[in-house]
Amino acid sequence: SQKIEQNSEALNIQEGKTATLTCNYTNYSPAYLQWYRQDPGRGPVFLLLIRENEKEKRKERLKVTFDTTLKQSLFHITASQPADSATYLCALDASGTYKYIFGTGTRLKVLA
Amino acid sequence: DAGVTQSPTHLIKTRGQHVTLRCSPISGHKSVSWYQQVLGQGPQFIFQYYEKEERGRGNFPDRFSARQFPNYSSELNVNALLLGDSALYLCASTTGGDVYSNQPQHFGDGTRLSIL
Repeated sequence: SQKIEQNSEALNIQEGKTATLTCNYTNYSPAYLQWYRQDPGRGPVFLLLIRENEKEKRKERLKVTFDTTLKQSLFHITASQPADSATYLCALDASGTYKYIFGTGTRLKVLA
Repeated sequence: DAGVTQSPTHLIKTRGQHVTLRCSPISGHKSVSWYQQVLGQGPQFIFQYYEKEERGRGNFPDRFSARQFPNYSSELNVNALLLGDSALYLCASTTGGDVYSNQPQHFGDGTRLSIL
């Protein structure tokens, strides 16, 4: 069956460290993968998109990698800050359809 | 510029009732998608509309229906409400077009629906 998995447990890291979040998928062949941030009581906010033929994408302190062989994307936040504390969602397009499928999200807490 | 707006923000209904949720996309965006998000889970795709036509449907029962209007706003209707329909309902808009969408989705803050 088709599945997207993210670290189900919360991730706690110290301020200034690099946070690494994982998104694994099975039985999909996405052309695109997106990462979103969601704060409590708010809708998701788009962060980054990476295409299947791109290995890595960066935006300021954020970096995303996409390995279609491993069927995995990694999301990194460098020099993390308490303001980075939120839930991070990965989403991929179910190829051949107009659907975007979201993972369950990983809750990140950056400790001061 | 205004983002995606959804109304109402909160709603309480009882089992068996029906509900209509509304969404106004970002100006210039022609595609609207609806998602259901249960606490602790990621958003689950319900529908996508583009130019007033349904382009995609998730695994939801026929009690769920939607439509898109000429001004690209959209309504989600849910009939015969069940306790399990309690969730945050999110609307997202994109400019639309390409079948393999490479566009970021812009979400509203959702409607919190509680079923008693």
